[in-house]
Amino acid sequence: EADIYQTPRYLVIGTGKKITLECSQTMGHDKMYWYQQDPGMELHLIHYSYGVNSTEKGDLSSESTVSRIRTEHFPLTLESARPSHTSQYLCASTLGGYNSPLHFGNGTRLTVT
Amino acid sequence: DAKTTQPPSMDCAEGRAANLPCNHSTISGNEYVYWYRQIHSQGPQYIIHGLKNNETNEMASLIITEDRKSSTLILPHATLRDTAVYYCIAHTGANNLFFGTGTRLTVIP
Repeated sequence: EADIYQTPRYLVIGTGKKITLECSQTMGHDKMYWYQQDPGMELHLIHYSYGVNSTEKGDLSSESTVSRIRTEHFPLTLESARPSHTSQYLCASTLGGYNSPLHFGNGTRLTVT
Repeated sequence: DAKTTQPPSMDCAEGRAANLPCNHSTISGNEYVYWYRQIHSQGPQYIIHGLKNNETNEMASLIITEDRKSSTLILPHATLRDTAVYYCIAHTGANNLFFGTGTRLTVIP
């Protein structure tokens, strides 16, 4: 069983608030990812990290930021939430390399009112 | 990473084999074919992956054509709990993993 955890599972917050979505994994994986997914739609990569102190933007432009200070932790922050940020955010990790699958958390469903 | 093409939806009778196709005609020699599924709004779950040879595990079988341009995921005895969106991905472990829209499999009682 994969050990990757996301909190909170659900979050309802007002416009303009700063929020941080947490993602932690206990597998020692170097590569971590954040995906955004609207209901019934495909996953869009918004951020990824090769390892500590490494962060990159993905395909989908996002107003969020990420940090990677520790291997196991990859939080995503929205400085000022807007209704357009309402979505599901999925975190994933992998050892990397050709032969390593992604392990996903169960996501955070964010609603900005 | 090669893009993949999957049918948007499929139905399968409960207890029958579900065969989900995937085209990856631009796949390169070092790209693996991975399959994941996503049930409701949960995070995607890894199913199986392979490079050239057919693979089988406790969840499914993966058949890859000899030219590696397509593959088929087989769920040998589909149950209602297999109703999900199934994603086929071809990648090298590089950083940008494109999931696409997948195939929505509905298992019918």
